[in-house]
Amino acid sequence: DAKTTQPTSMDCAEGRAANLPCNHSTISGNEYVYWYRQIHSQGPQYIIHGLKNNETNEMASLIITEDRKSSTLILPHATLRDTAVYYCIVRRSGGGSNYKLTFGKGTLLTVNP
Amino acid sequence: GAVVSQHPSRVICKSGTSVKIECRSLDFQATTMFWYRQFPKKSLMLMATSNEGSKATYEQGVEKDKFLINHASLTLSTLTVTSAHPEDSSFYICSAMRQLSPYEQYFGPGTRLTVT
Repeated sequence: DAKTTQPTSMDCAEGRAANLPCNHSTISGNEYVYWYRQIHSQGPQYIIHGLKNNETNEMASLIITEDRKSSTLILPHATLRDTAVYYCIVRRSGGGSNYKLTFGKGTLLTVNP
Repeated sequence: GAVVSQHPSRVICKSGTSVKIECRSLDFQATTMFWYRQFPKKSLMLMATSNEGSKATYEQGVEKDKFLINHASLTLSTLTVTSAHPEDSSFYICSAMRQLSPYEQYFGPGTRLTVT
């Protein structure tokens, strides 16, 4: 699976949009971009994933560049509860044991009051 | 989203004893589950892939005889840490993968193991 690069940490003001970047320049054509987050001392939480089109759900939006070498996760109105480590992971879509997730160091997003 | 539970959430055991951690997918069947461990301020490290009805697949450097995995049903996988030592103290997290598109993995809340 392709590797990803994320900033170590970011800060965001409560109520503002949080934009978390991720570089995945070696992504393959059949690999999806997945985003998870982990709040302190909890298991990771699935946020969103996409292949090449932009995606939006109730939690966030995912913007993928046309060349697919980078993406941005957008939390439109960050709250204090969004403080967490955010992981960007690329992985082939599908089931079975070959489709494991490999976690990097992620980005610690701190939402400030 | 789907719910995955782990039991216990916290456990303290003495060195040399064994500890069993359960991972259950509560509202979907999972033929594939994964076990991770996480040390303080570190990222999740995959330990093994648990396959229902067959042997687990272990990542390089993970001792299969020390970390026993059983996946006897479509909703339950167990991890047993045998002859635990203080260096096994960690946060253990499981995940269950949906077998239908979009194949998301849902994670349990984690188990904090402390070996004294």
